[in-house]
Order: sequence, then structure tokens, then C-alpha cells
Amino acid sequence: GIQVEQSPPDLILQEGANSTLRCNFSDSVNNLQWFHQNPWGQLINLFYIPSGTKQNGRLSATTVATERYSLLYISSSQTTDSGVYFCAVGGSGTYKYIFGTGTRLKVLA
Amino acid sequence: NAGVTQTPKFQVLKTGQSMTLQCAQDMNHNSMYWYRQDPGMGLRLIYYSASEGTTDKGEVPNGYNVSRLNKREFSLRLESAAPSQTSVYFCASSEQGVTEAFFGQGTRLTVV
Repeated sequence: GIQVEQSPPDLILQEGANSTLRCNFSDSVNNLQWFHQNPWGQLINLFYIPSGTKQNGRLSATTVATERYSLLYISSSQTTDSGVYFCAVGGSGTYKYIFGTGTRLKVLA
Repeated sequence: NAGVTQTPKFQVLKTGQSMTLQCAQDMNHNSMYWYRQDPGMGLRLIYYSASEGTTDKGEVPNGYNVSRLNKREFSLRLESAAPSQTSVYFCASSEQGVTEAFFGQGTRLTVV
């Protein structure tokens, strides 16, 4: 099956810093989502991005499906950005998303 | 518009007890999913229902059963709970297959 690897596994930032999170996947995919799991455990949809680039405020994401990776950019980080960021990919001809193990982000005030 | 609603939010079971986790979505989605999340890990798929009337095993189906009761509801049953099933359980839905998925708030289950 498809393997999903996220890096870095852990990240500590000062408030106001920028960061880039990476998601690599081992096979072609139909779809890709980025989620933020907040400290209360809730999974929040960030981007549904099978290819191309999208932006939402301080966050943006780029997926290069042909090279099997996606990047999530966080600019001017805030303490509320803390939590775990997951990448999930949906393979061709399947009905299921496969999750990476996440990047744990802590933003310090 | 509630999205995906799971009940209960918290549950403690004794080993060997049974229970059913309930999930309902109000987005008229065709596909529904049950995942589990263990500490420090990503989500792993237990079972899914591609459309009403169908269910299929995911990565970790052992010890679980599911029922797609109708288009809105998808339940997960533990027949004889084991400590290894202590986890946080998430239900999700999508319009069809691997289109954008939306998650419930999770059920934190502890088996003692």
C-alpha cells in the first residue's frame, strides 16, 4: 500500500516565525488533505489539495503529484497554530485515506 | 449544520464488555469511515462504507463490526472489548470515496 512520510516529526518555533512541513508519498494519489489536530484532539480541515497551490490566510499548501510530495507553509506562526499537522492521501481506485504520522508543532510566545 | 456527530465523547469499559459507537452526518455524503488514533500515531482505518449498503475492512478491522444503518448513520461495535482497543475513535464522511473528508470530534475509549 501507499506509504506516507511526514517531516520533521517535531518542530518548535518562536511566535512570528515561518515554517515548512513536508509530506512524501510512495505512489500516485488521487487526492491529498492537510489537517490540523488541535490540543483538544479535534481534526480541522486545512486544505484539500490533490495538485497545485492553495492559500488560506497565513497558511498555504502546494502539492506536486508527479514528484509525490506536498508542502504546508505556515507564516507568522501564532501560539494557536500549535498541535499536530497530518497529511492524508487517497490512492487511485481506493475509497480510503492513508495518514502520515504527523508533525507536532509547538509555537512559543 | 452539525457536520459529523459522534456519540459518546468518552467511555470507559471493562474488558469483555460490548458497546456501539454511533456516528451520523448531515452532509448527504455517500462514504463513511471509522478510524482509530493511538498515542503519537496517525489515524488508521478500521472499516469504511463506500456507499449505503456496503461495508469493507480497512487496515485494522479485527475485534470490530460495523453497520451502515442508512445513508446518514454508520456505527462501530466492539463485541468484547480488550485493553488493546483503548484509543480515540474518529468517524468521517466524504461525498464519494477520496473526495474531501470531514471528521467528527472523536470518542475517547478506555478499556480497563
